[in-house]
Amino acid sequence: AQTVTQSQPEMSVQEAETVTLSCTYDTSESDYYLFWYKQPPSRQMILVIRQEAYKQQNATENRFSVNFQKAAKSFSLKISDSQLGDAAMYFCAYRSGGFGNEKLTFGTGTRLTIIP
Amino acid sequence: DTAVSQTPKYLVTQMGNDKSIKCEQNLGHDTMYWYKQDSKKFLKIMFSYNNKELIINETVPNRFSPKSPDKAHLNLHINSLELGDSAVYFCASSQSGRRGELFFGEGSRLTVL
Repeated sequence: AQTVTQSQPEMSVQEAETVTLSCTYDTSESDYYLFWYKQPPSRQMILVIRQEAYKQQNATENRFSVNFQKAAKSFSLKISDSQLGDAAMYFCAYRSGGFGNEKLTFGTGTRLTIIP
Repeated sequence: DTAVSQTPKYLVTQMGNDKSIKCEQNLGHDTMYWYKQDSKKFLKIMFSYNNKELIINETVPNRFSPKSPDKAHLNLHINSLELGDSAVYFCASSQSGRRGELFFGEGSRLTVL
């Protein structure tokens, strides 16, 4: 079974600075998807960024980028120019399963605090 | 238009009662899920349905009964509620085969007293 590990329960960063959230996973599959979701106090789960394992290029979405190291099974999230609205729980997730049998397995989350 | 909507958003009830949560998605997806988020924020899959057929049942107690009348709806009925059932329950949907993200509802916070 796939497992996802987030080793940083809490992180904090000064507004406008850069922060990196760590994620590692364990799998025997060669083709899969990885995601970072954000959960602000509103409780809504919001997709931040996704990465296809077969793509070597790291995904980027505006201020958010990932460092995907397939051999090391590492998938970290970098947030540049941190803003107050970035304060949230961040979850790393792995998508597994075949057709019609897919599911997301989540890490335990990292609570990110932005210091004004 | 809300893509995945759940009702109710909040439930407060006594131990031993029965409650239901309803979910609807208008994204045309064929797969729907129930996830449970506990007090430590850990998200764990409970069930998934693909085209109304139960696919994943992650060793959830029999007191939990999912039902999918059609592929746009997935309901969760919980019998004989226990204190440990207090959590936020998320409905989600996706399209099988595309291996993209899951789209989540806003969650339903259940408090059992």
